[in-house]
Amino acid sequence: DVKVTQSSRYLVKRTGEKVFLECVQDMDHENMFWYRQDPGLGLRLIYFSYDVKMKEKGDIPEGYSVSREKKERFSLILESASTNQTSMYLCASRGANLQYFGAGTRLSVL
Amino acid sequence: AQTVTQSQPEMSVQEAETVTLSCTYDTSESDYYLFWYKQPPSRQMILVIRQEAYKQQNATENRFSVNFQKAAKSFSLKISDSQLGDAAMYFCAYRSLFTGGGNKLTFGTGTQLKVEL
Repeated sequence: DVKVTQSSRYLVKRTGEKVFLECVQDMDHENMFWYRQDPGLGLRLIYFSYDVKMKEKGDIPEGYSVSREKKERFSLILESASTNQTSMYLCASRGANLQYFGAGTRLSVL
Repeated sequence: AQTVTQSQPEMSVQEAETVTLSCTYDTSESDYYLFWYKQPPSRQMILVIRQEAYKQQNATENRFSVNFQKAAKSFSLKISDSQLGDAAMYFCAYRSLFTGGGNKLTFGTGTQLKVEL
């Protein structure tokens, strides 16, 4: 089975902190994604990566950056966390025309 | 850009009954994929069913089936013999075959399904 692992289920951070959300997949997938999930808005794409060191902006990249130094790991970075970034963050990787999701990280920025 | 609309924020169904969740989408493309994902309280997104737009036959997976109406751009999910474990948030999603973006998914806003005894 494909496994996509997000390092934290819950995080609480303070405004202005630099935050790292980590995601690891074990199926050698080239494409990885970060989504943000908010009630009434569904999932929205923040960034994706189609190879090591390659990244593209999604629909809502403002306030975020990403890093992909190794194929299996895709990190989402909040350079200076703000309260409006309180949300659920979902990582996914794609293989065989299907996306496989992690269990999500619920981030609260106080 | 493609959009996906789920007009039912919440639905309820009695156990063992049938329920249909609605989804419409907007696209100018002729070939694409459509998906239904389920997100239970554990938050793990689970693929329920997938439909390729070039296939006229509606996809079926056990108790789950779709009604795919390409001309109407409609993709509804029917759950038969509903079970308590079906209670979850259901998302409809679209994926283009041709655009960039790593073949990203465009999601609807979700329908929360409650299953009652």
